[in-house]
Amino acid sequence: NAGVTQTPKFQVLKTGQSMTLQCAQDMNHNSMYWYRQDPGMGLRLIYYSASEGTTDKGEVPNGYNVSRLNKREFSLRLESAAPSQTSVYFCASSDTLQGYEAFFGQGTRLTVV
Amino acid sequence: TQLLEQSPQFLSIQEGENLTVYCNSSSVFSSLQWYRQEPGEGPVLLVTVVTGGEVKKLKRLTFQFGDARKDSSLHITAAQPGDTGLYLCAGGLNTGNQFYFGTGTSLTVIP
Repeated sequence: NAGVTQTPKFQVLKTGQSMTLQCAQDMNHNSMYWYRQDPGMGLRLIYYSASEGTTDKGEVPNGYNVSRLNKREFSLRLESAAPSQTSVYFCASSDTLQGYEAFFGQGTRLTVV
Repeated sequence: TQLLEQSPQFLSIQEGENLTVYCNSSSVFSSLQWYRQEPGEGPVLLVTVVTGGEVKKLKRLTFQFGDARKDSSLHITAAQPGDTGLYLCAGGLNTGNQFYFGTGTSLTVIP
């Protein structure tokens, strides 16, 4: 069982470049999330999607856009990367109708130079 | 400022000692979870508490949800080196299926 799959695992961007982080889950979960993790900050919610076709801002949405392509896939786009976006990004999914557990991917380590 | 504040941020103890990690907020949560994260991996769920005042035990780990559902604690008895990791609390809000994470507590248990 794959669970939550994120690609890529590592990425280096130059300031101003754009990229899309991909996330797919095979657990038929309704809700999906994007977090960033920085030292001493825990995980901060960027965007979330409570169900297919809906997306909402989290704590730190500036500089990011998301797309809930279908029930399985939730992508995160950086239109013009900045050094402040250097971080580890995690995608997660959950089905709150079945419980409260969020399942995480292995993360994408992004460096913006 | 983050919705959930954890303390302490770092904790280094000897094997066999007891410890408590705290997770506090001014918001009321419908559920509160504790996760553990290993380096290079995503967080993995340890426990979920949903009722104010609830206490759950998982072997040497005891989790408590505050009566007002604004805070929680994780107590580890007789810590072992295998307990080393980053411990994160996370709260679910009633509106919109959101999960917000705490600032994290990095625990090191020295053999």
